[in-house]
Amino acid sequence: RKEVEQDPGPFNVPEGATVAFNCTYSNSASQSFFWYRQDCRKEPKLLMSVYSSGNEDGRFTAQLNRASQYISLLIRDSKLSDSATYLCVVIAYSGAGSYQLTFGKGTKLSVIP
Amino acid sequence: DAGITQSPRHKVTETGTPVTLRCHQTENHRYMYWYRQDPGHGLRLIHYSYGVKDTDKGEVSDGYSVSRSKTEDFLLTLESATSSQTSVYFCAISEPAGASYEQYFGPGTRLTVT
Repeated sequence: RKEVEQDPGPFNVPEGATVAFNCTYSNSASQSFFWYRQDCRKEPKLLMSVYSSGNEDGRFTAQLNRASQYISLLIRDSKLSDSATYLCVVIAYSGAGSYQLTFGKGTKLSVIP
Repeated sequence: DAGITQSPRHKVTETGTPVTLRCHQTENHRYMYWYRQDPGHGLRLIHYSYGVKDTDKGEVSDGYSVSRSKTEDFLLTLESATSSQTSVYFCAISEPAGASYEQYFGPGTRLTVT
């Protein structure tokens, strides 16, 4: 099982739709979780952190399910500008004061007019 | 946006030549990272630094070396470039606080090895 897995998509959704992505992780000791957004030929940009209690930022909601070892990202009222690839990041402490970041390969979203 | 620049932004080089990529930050963050991104593989960590002259290997470090002589600069060197090192290289920085390790990325360097 890969450490961090995402459905690569593409997810093609109409404007105004609600879309959800999941990201599963294999390391039960993982501590921190993030969602990044990456536009074509651009650098990844931090979208939001994922907290145990779940968190919301406008149209975006991130949730963590530690029991099932996945995080999710929900986008409501999709906009054309939401079209991008969404990367999940999982961080685990690896001992001796160091930690390991693992990126998923990303899920591509295309919002269609 | 975080103050991170990478140079050069694009480079074409021949197999066997040495190449150095530079990452420069103005945020005074302690950690700096080099990643490569390839289709089908996502972002993979090459090397990272947790302080001046403190570096460690990532998952794909073979064929790469790094140096960090001052906080703001992190250099990635391909001693003898190979075609398999054609990729997009991203630098990232972070300043861990508690359990938070948010990373901020530079604009990337597109390297082509012919």
